[in-house]
Amino acid sequence: GPKVLQIPSHQIIDMGQMVTLNCDPVSNHLYFYWYKQILGQQMEFLVNFYNGKVMEKSKLFKDQFSVERPDGSYFTLKIQPTALEDSAVYFCASSLNRINQAPLFGEGTRLSVL
Amino acid sequence: GEQVEQRPPHLSVREGDSAFITCTYTDPNSYYFFWYKQEPGASLQLLMKVFSSTEINEGQGFTVLLNKKDKRLSLNLTAAHPGDSAAYFCAVRRNNYAQGLTFGLGTRVSVFP
Repeated sequence: GPKVLQIPSHQIIDMGQMVTLNCDPVSNHLYFYWYKQILGQQMEFLVNFYNGKVMEKSKLFKDQFSVERPDGSYFTLKIQPTALEDSAVYFCASSLNRINQAPLFGEGTRLSVL
Repeated sequence: GEQVEQRPPHLSVREGDSAFITCTYTDPNSYYFFWYKQEPGASLQLLMKVFSSTEINEGQGFTVLLNKKDKRLSLNLTAAHPGDSAAYFCAVRRNNYAQGLTFGLGTRVSVFP
């Protein structure tokens, strides 16, 4: 079936550096999401993106975060600069519509900030 | 904002027995409910989506119950088998205008012979 792919599966960077997490959503999906999960804690909504724009973001979506999907390619989450508390697993998800379709999730990217 | 509490955090059941997981939520306007299963190292797989008009939903090997009065969503794995060993997450969408899902903390289910 359709899959959301996330690249890479694990990324290690030094605090203060920039990192870009890549997501390849399902090809005909229109809504894109990032979620963050710190080890042992709940998965938490970060941001939703549609038609080239951020539709909704949570308080976890700090000013250092940005998202884009240039020319229909990867949907990316950029963190610049990174902080220690950004260490987590980041899950990308996509859906065809917003209302009643459950988002399809990727396998996550584990980000370790040292 | 919406709060979702999921219990228990861990569940160990014998093969053939039932496993029961409950989520309670706080926002009475919540309308869409989801259960996801996550095997180790894999992505979240949708088990079932439930809309507020439906109270009992049956899937393959499980039943989902929604009690809007008590703001409770339950997942019952009937006759559990080793393939059911995974983490299970409930998720709630507040209303038509909310974009993100609010997740429970998850329940790690282990099925032993």
